[in-house]
Amino acid sequence: SAVISQKPSRDICQRGTSLTIQCQVDSQVTMMFWYRQQPGQSLTLIATANQGSEATYESGFVIDKFPISRPNLTFSTLTVSNMSPEDSSIYLCSVEDRGVRNTEAFFGQGTRLTVV
Amino acid sequence: QKEVEQNSGPLSVPEGAIASLNCTYSDRGSQSFFWYRQYSGKSPELIMSIYSNGDKEDGRFTAQLNKASQYVSLLIRDSQPSDSATYLCAVPNSGAGSYQLTFGKGTKLSVIP
Repeated sequence: SAVISQKPSRDICQRGTSLTIQCQVDSQVTMMFWYRQQPGQSLTLIATANQGSEATYESGFVIDKFPISRPNLTFSTLTVSNMSPEDSSIYLCSVEDRGVRNTEAFFGQGTRLTVV
Repeated sequence: QKEVEQNSGPLSVPEGAIASLNCTYSDRGSQSFFWYRQYSGKSPELIMSIYSNGDKEDGRFTAQLNKASQYVSLLIRDSQPSDSATYLCAVPNSGAGSYQLTFGKGTKLSVIP
């Protein structure tokens, strides 16, 4: 399976500031995904990042709040902009691994964000 | 809207017992089903995938799929305290050409020594 490195692993940020989270994969992947996991909740997909085009956002998430870059097939960033305490969550990068028979999804270590 | 439902638990079982985790899904067209384990403060880890009706065994883990009933389960035999975690059921959003997942809320399992 792909090895996914995500950083920072955690951060404490002041409200109104922005944080950029980086995701690096050890192999080229077509699609990268960004999820959010709020405290005590399950994972919710924020957006899908495809190299060479704008990210596709899910309902309830907008580009101005969560701008995403995908400059090449091994790297993506997610920025959480103008943060408020409600943005305190774990943010997770995921990639699909297209095996010979089946496709599976794997996750980075996550970024635990606390906004104060 | 696709839905994946799980009992949130907590589910407590004694060490050595069988833990049974259940999941139902709304999309009859779903073809792939995944179980992830998530330890507190960690990211989800894929532990089982199943694509066909019936059982799939991997060590102490058995996934069971019944597409007619839209039901998938995970059995953990000889449960160990190290199995204590939240177990997430996930189903891909089919038709989009990419592998987005819809997750259930997860079942928290506690294995009591």
